[in-house]
Amino acid sequence: DQQVKQNSPSLSVQEGRISILNCDYTNSMFDYFLWYKKYPAEGPTFLISISSIKDKNEDGRFTVFLNKSAKHLSLHIVPSQPGDSAVYFCAASEAQGAQKLVFGQGTRLTINP
Amino acid sequence: GAVVSQHPSRVICKSGTSVKIECRSLDFQATTMFWYRQFPKKSLMLMATSNEGSKATYEQGVEKDKFLINHASLTLSTLTVTSAHPEDSSFYICSARDWAVGLAGGRSTQYFGPGTRLTVL
Repeated sequence: DQQVKQNSPSLSVQEGRISILNCDYTNSMFDYFLWYKKYPAEGPTFLISISSIKDKNEDGRFTVFLNKSAKHLSLHIVPSQPGDSAVYFCAASEAQGAQKLVFGQGTRLTINP
Repeated sequence: GAVVSQHPSRVICKSGTSVKIECRSLDFQATTMFWYRQFPKKSLMLMATSNEGSKATYEQGVEKDKFLINHASLTLSTLTVTSAHPEDSSFYICSARDWAVGLAGGRSTQYFGPGTRLTVL
């Protein structure tokens, strides 16, 4: 039962253009969402998060959008840079308990020069 | 940002031996740490939630007697893979939540360690 889904295993974008990574979830109890970036053989690095009380959060080149009714979130990176090439995971957690994260499968983003 | 370290970064052991992996929060205190496992080209799968001063909470399907977790202090959790077998070979990653942020009622972000590559021969 995959509660958090990233349906695109890979994405290729031209340098300078916008990268849009998508994530869907099924658990309506999730109220906090995060995006992590991961390089091979390294731990994930936190990028940006959003609470369910918001529909947008922006940090520099990164913007996360949340559509609660559609149970969908997306990460926009603009402009895309070669250093953005990595695997991106979205994750979600509930308000109660340990607030453990449930991860999507990841999307491998490749930025072409 | 917050720093979480893991040691060792890479370990190779013989089948049947036990391996201990340490996870430390370096600049914050963590009452809760998490242990994940990642198979090649797969997502991170939560194995257990490590609680300081109490027993760990294991996810369904994870053998608690095989994966021993000890959270002895607010900055250290250890995962011991007992009687390791080749199928235990994987990338193990820990994460930690900032205790102070959680206590204040905030939604604290999990910060991840760099991971430990375990290879069991």
